[in-house]
Amino acid sequence: SQELEQSPQSLIVQEGKNLTINCTSSKTLYGLYWYKQKYGEGLIFLMMLQKGGEEKSHEKITAKLDEKKQQSSLHITASQPSHAGIYLCGADNSNYQLIWGAGTKLIIKP
Amino acid sequence: NAGVTQTPKFQVLKTGQSMTLQCAQDMNHNSMYWYRQDPGMGLRLIYYSASEGTTDKGEVPNGYNVSRLNKREFSLRLESAAPSQTSVYFCASSEAYRGELFFGEGSRLTVL
Repeated sequence: SQELEQSPQSLIVQEGKNLTINCTSSKTLYGLYWYKQKYGEGLIFLMMLQKGGEEKSHEKITAKLDEKKQQSSLHITASQPSHAGIYLCGADNSNYQLIWGAGTKLIIKP
Repeated sequence: NAGVTQTPKFQVLKTGQSMTLQCAQDMNHNSMYWYRQDPGMGLRLIYYSASEGTTDKGEVPNGYNVSRLNKREFSLRLESAAPSQTSVYFCASSEAYRGELFFGEGSRLTVL
């Protein structure tokens, strides 16, 4: 069965610094989703990537899907306290269901 | 802007008790989902309803039942709660099956 591995599991970054979170799949990705979760709240949709090499940006967050479609990265530029939370990647599997990575916990130090 | 509303937000049960988690969405979405979230394991799909009138098992359906009451509402029932069902439960909806999901704020369930 397909699995998604996120790295790192947790990350502490000084405010203003850049950071990258990775999501690696054991099989080809046909649709990759990035969500953000704040503690005690639901998940908020960030971006969806479908094509190899695709890159999307929203404010200071950029997500890419590599050409082979087995890895995606989420890059945050000039991090701010509002970026703190848990980032999850999700992907369509062969059973047309979403599977999820375990999440990356991001802490921003002021 | 209610979006997806789940109730209750917190619940403590004793082993063997039953309860129903309620979920309602006001976005006229066709598809609805129930997930559980456990530390270090991400989200796991319990049941989903691709459209009104249909329900299907997800990855971890054992010990749960669901009802798609109408297009707006999708409930999750635990008939005989077990400690292994201690988790945070999320309801979500989407306009079409797969695609962008809209999540509720979660229901934290503890089974003693």
